[in-house]
Amino acid sequence: DIQMTQSPSTLSASVGDRVTITCRASQSISRWLAWYQQRPGKAPKLLIYETSTLEGGVPSRFSGTGSGTEFTLTITSLQPDDFATYYCQQYHTYVWTFGPGTKVEIK
Amino acid sequence: EVQLVQSGAEVKKPGESLKISCQASGYSFTSQWIAWVRHIPGKGLEWMGAIHPGDSDPRYNPSFQGQVTMSVDRSINTAYLQWRSLRASDTAIYYCARQFSGHYFFDYWGLGILVTVSS
Repeated sequence: DIQMTQSPSTLSASVGDRVTITCRASQSISRWLAWYQQRPGKAPKLLIYETSTLEGGVPSRFSGTGSGTEFTLTITSLQPDDFATYYCQQYHTYVWTFGPGTKVEIK
Repeated sequence: EVQLVQSGAEVKKPGESLKISCQASGYSFTSQWIAWVRHIPGKGLEWMGAIHPGDSDPRYNPSFQGQVTMSVDRSINTAYLQWRSLRASDTAIYYCARQFSGHYFFDYWGLGILVTVSS
């Protein structure tokens, strides 16, 4: 299986900060990567697919870049609703696998 | 509006059986795969497998093959995940999620079911 890693595991930030989360794959996954947001006690929510395509209704402060083995999720101006855990997921190679998550917490 | 409504939390003893459900609405149930994802807090998310309601064709993550069974009831737009004999290590939150048409990421999720297995 393709192993996904994320860094950092926890990130402390303030409202208005620019935040970047990195996701790495153990082998190339082209651009077949999705990002999810999970608030405490809630289901994961799809934010981005195919590396950079925003799901409908997702604010434009979220963006994704990358290809191959290294990807980033950027939030340009952190809002109170954005304090959550973020997961990446590869869907290039069966079995689909997720990263371990990055928790964005209030500084 | 697409919704996936999951059954309630479960507390079971090791060795007991369990079947949890996920009822879909707001779209054509038979047209898109339903996946099951396990979440052990602190250990991330794991794709357990998926089933296509159109033909009840399941695909299992090899790590879960033989441990669980996926099924559907098309008459009530419901997908199921079943264990014959639970273990303490099955304690987790289980999500159902719809696979985006023709792709392998997940655009709608249920709220999750906490399954606790303890003697």
